[in-house]
Amino acid sequence: GAVVSQHPSRVICKSGTSVKIECRSLDFQATTMFWYRQFPKQSLMLMATSNEGSKATYEQGVEKDKFLINHASLTLSTLTVTSAHPEDSSFYICSAKSDRGQETQYFGPGTRLLVL
Amino acid sequence: TQLLEQSPQFLSIQEGENLTVYCNSSSVFSSLQWYRQEPGEGPVLLVTVVTGGEVKKLKRLTFQFGDARKDSSLHITAAQPGDTGLYLCAGSGGGKLIFGQGTELSVKP
Repeated sequence: GAVVSQHPSRVICKSGTSVKIECRSLDFQATTMFWYRQFPKQSLMLMATSNEGSKATYEQGVEKDKFLINHASLTLSTLTVTSAHPEDSSFYICSAKSDRGQETQYFGPGTRLLVL
Repeated sequence: TQLLEQSPQFLSIQEGENLTVYCNSSSVFSSLQWYRQEPGEGPVLLVTVVTGGEVKKLKRLTFQFGDARKDSSLHITAAQPGDTGLYLCAGSGGGKLIFGQGTELSVKP
């Protein structure tokens, strides 16, 4: 149980375009989902916390107008990288926390974004 | 601000050796998780420790949560090449996970 999927797994786009990444909890309901960014050989950096039906809470230094987050249902959150630039190239990972009150987060497989 | 200091950040050892990874903080965490991540994949949960002083074993991996719930360790006995990967500790605080810097482990045959 506790499976989280992400789509797409890899995406290459041109500079200036927008890219949407989906995160789904497949076998549980997630009131809270998280979006992380990870650079090679480094740890995960939390970008934002997404709560179903409300606005996302962004970490300091993360541009909310550039990284749009929507958590429209208990099993789906989306991250849209708007007007992507090469410096946005990274590994984006989502996680989901069960609505059963547990603290454990279950991670998706990640999305590799390359902006040319 | 809660911080988790993870050490060492890089570790290269021979097959069969033992190793310990440490996570330390000045803050108390309600729980602490250990994850293992392979290149191009998301982190996979290994264990969650909740109680101060708790010890959990997962085959050759032993996890310990400090009595004060501020630190944790991961000990691997007789490491194998399949143990190679990025190990991450993460403490639960304020509804979020606070991650350590990660330990890149390489086990050579």
